[in-house]
Amino acid sequence: DAGVIQSPRHEVTEMGQEVTLRCKLISGHNSLFWYRQTMMRGLELLIYFNNNVPIDDSGMPEDRFSAKMPNASFSTLKIQPSEPRDSAVYFCASSFPFGGILGDTGELFFGEGSRLTVL
Amino acid sequence: QKEVEQDPGPLSVPEGAIVSLNCTYSNSAFQYFMWYRQYSRKGPELLMYTYSSGNKEDGRFTAQVDKSSKYISLFIRDSQPSDSATYLCAMSAAGGTSYGKLTFGQGTILTVHP
Repeated sequence: DAGVIQSPRHEVTEMGQEVTLRCKLISGHNSLFWYRQTMMRGLELLIYFNNNVPIDDSGMPEDRFSAKMPNASFSTLKIQPSEPRDSAVYFCASSFPFGGILGDTGELFFGEGSRLTVL
Repeated sequence: QKEVEQDPGPLSVPEGAIVSLNCTYSNSAFQYFMWYRQYSRKGPELLMYTYSSGNKEDGRFTAQVDKSSKYISLFIRDSQPSDSATYLCAMSAAGGTSYGKLTFGQGTILTVHP
């Protein structure tokens, strides 16, 4: 399996522009997580889905951020309008169904990240 | 105060040294404790996993959890240059909507020099 696939790997945009980050889950996984990583704050959970349904979006910083999971294998994270403080590496991760290999925990399989720079 | 505290380092050691990495946490609901390793410009990958208190050993790596002190550790024996990476502790509570919801430490940057 190719693993979690994220695109774009790098994005440089200007303040006010819309940014869309994309993620393809590993086949057979049913949970999807979006994390943001910065030097100052480390890895922060933004939102996660289980069976395409958003379970917890308490980490989404503002209404400028939105995430969708239109089908079982694909998700998008959109920022509109983008601001310089949104600059970070955004990771998508997926995991096995509840009660899988690691039981309640669900090992997370991360993509390689999308590095966003907002000027 | 963050739920999980981890000294970001950086930590630099000579090849062959024993490395000790630590995290403290405040949420007593955490039951699952993990260590992820992240190489530069890559996503984190699971290194060790422990449920509740106790020790777990895997080759050169040993994970320890002391729930009474809310303290977890990762030991690396005979460290190698290939161990140079950022090590992130991660924790989660059990079941329900907490499933898979990991809270990460800030990560410790480790460099093992030949």
